[in-house]
Amino acid sequence: DAEITQSPRHKITETGRQVTLACHQTWNHNNMFWYRQDLGHGLRLIHYSYGVQDTNKGEVSDGYSVSRSNTEDLPLTLESAASSQTSVYFCASSGQGAYEQYFGPGTRLTVT
Amino acid sequence: AQSVTQLDSQVPVFEEAPVELRCNYSSSVSVYLFWYVQYPNQGLQLLLKYLSGSTLVKGINGFEAEFNKSQTSFHLRKPSVHISDTAEYFCAVKKGGSNYKLTFGKGTLLTVNP
Repeated sequence: DAEITQSPRHKITETGRQVTLACHQTWNHNNMFWYRQDLGHGLRLIHYSYGVQDTNKGEVSDGYSVSRSNTEDLPLTLESAASSQTSVYFCASSGQGAYEQYFGPGTRLTVT
Repeated sequence: AQSVTQLDSQVPVFEEAPVELRCNYSSSVSVYLFWYVQYPNQGLQLLLKYLSGSTLVKGINGFEAEFNKSQTSFHLRKPSVHISDTAEYFCAVKKGGSNYKLTFGKGTLLTVNP
């Protein structure tokens, strides 16, 4: 069955370190998204991509970057982790012409 | 900018009681609407969606929602809840057009008590 996976599921890192969160989908979807979930804020869009080599900023993109070198993967990089980036991160994907998004299980990131 | 308001952050109910989770959106153009459910320590799962056609939409697990264009609402209902329905529920909207972004509400925590 097609799926979307995220790794690691849990990560603890120190302030200032670079961190990369992986997202891999086997749906063959063109569209991929990264969100962060924080209490009281719901889900907020960090970055998104509509295809290989395409990346776009979302509403909370400062301090984050993404790259899309193939259809299946959209890694999220925190260039220099800050305590304000402690959160649960979700990756999602959707197909061409379809608007519902399919979500991964999430990565809980703690920045100490 | 598109916005989604979930009017209740928490809704406690007793098992087998009916429930309504409220969602309002701001838009003067056509929209597509979604409800997602998130169980503890899991990702979001699609419950139902409204794209066009009948304003009453049925989803999984006995949930349904009604699209009301004049009131810009998309409330989620279930006539009889179970303990297993305890979860957080998110309303989301996609504005008509060529982009694929969704805007999510802040969520409503449904707690079903025995």
